[in-house]
Parts: sequence; structure tokens; C-alpha cells
Amino acid sequence: EAGVTQFPSHSVIEKGQTVTLRCDPISGHDNLYWYRRVMGKEIKFLLHFVKESKQDESGMPNNRFLAERTGGTYSTLKVQPAELEDSGVYFCASSRLSGANVLTFGAGSRLTVL
Amino acid sequence: EDQVTQSPEALRLQEGESSSLNCSYTVSGLRGLFWYRQDPGKGPEFLFTLYSAGEEKEKERLKATLTKKESFLHITAPKPEDSATYLCAVQAIGNQFYFGTGTSLTVIP
Repeated sequence: EAGVTQFPSHSVIEKGQTVTLRCDPISGHDNLYWYRRVMGKEIKFLLHFVKESKQDESGMPNNRFLAERTGGTYSTLKVQPAELEDSGVYFCASSRLSGANVLTFGAGSRLTVL
Repeated sequence: EDQVTQSPEALRLQEGESSSLNCSYTVSGLRGLFWYRQDPGKGPEFLFTLYSAGEEKEKERLKATLTKKESFLHITAPKPEDSATYLCAVQAIGNQFYFGTGTSLTVIP
């Protein structure tokens, strides 16, 4: 099966600009998660979709971050306006709704805000 | 507070030199403990899930064990291709996953 795909792999933007990250989960995986890793720190939870519904968005840093999952398929994470501290690697992961809930990760989208 | 701590941060081994990586955790209701391997420029890749104290899982040169407070990833006779960052994560009762900062393993030929 195809893996989790993320786009872009790397984005460099200036402070104040907008960036949209996209994640295509494995087909049939109803759980979709966004995580972020800031340099030197651990991977931290941002939010969790079950199909098209936000199950838990307690990890979203602030209202500059907006995640959507229209139709329960791919998801986007928009940062608007971007700040310097938003730099990091954004990972998407997906899993089946039932079973062991093993997360399959994408390769990540590296965001650099200058 | 739910927390995962991994040690050491970095580990250099000679090829064939066995060792262990540690993951200690505090979590409000453990649903599972997961080990992942991450190579540079890639996302974490699943290795093992452990659910209860005393459980062990093995895969090739890797063996994961679990107690009520920590997990160990034992690497027996490592090879250079085992070089990677190894991440530990716990899934809490609320379904959230908490990750450690990882152990960067380098195996020297």
C-alpha cells in the first residue's frame, strides 16, 4: 500500500507569510494526526482527526494554525501568519480506527520561517 | 504530567558491541508503548508495540521489554545499518501519543 505522503518536503517563507502543508494518509486510515518537531525537542502532538471530524486539537499552539480534513481524506495545515517560532518539521501520521493504532508517519514537511 | 524520557541522547557502538536504550515514562493510564526508528530525512518507522509489564518483542537484532515505569530496547551485535534515531512513544488513556526526544545510535564498522 502507498504510504503517508506529505507536501511540500521543505518550505522557506518569511515571517508574516502564509504556508499550507498537505498530508495524504494511507487509504482507509480514518485516524489522521499532525505532529511537530522543533529542533532539539521531542515530537509534539498538534491535533487528531477521526475521518473529517477534529477529535482533539488541544496541541494546536494558537489560532494562527488551522487544520482541515475535508471529506475525510487528505488534510491541510495552514499557518497564517507564520512566526519565527513556527519553524520545525511537521509530521503527519495515520492509522486505522480499530486495532493496535500503530501510526504510520509521512516523511515530514520542514518549515523554515525567516 | 504525562512524560517520556529517553537515555542516552546519543550512543556510539562498535559493530558487534551490544547495548541497551532506555525509555522511562509517566503516563495517566498506559494504553501502549511504541518504539520507532527514524532515519535522516524520513518519518518515524514503527518497530514494536508493548502493552503490559513483562511483555517482550523481538525483531532481528532488536528486543524491546517493558516494566511499569520503563522500557528497554536491547540491540544485540549491532551492524552499521542499525544506525538511526530510536524514538519511544506512549499512548495515554486519552489516545494521545507522547514522544521522547530519541536516542541517536551510531554503529561504527
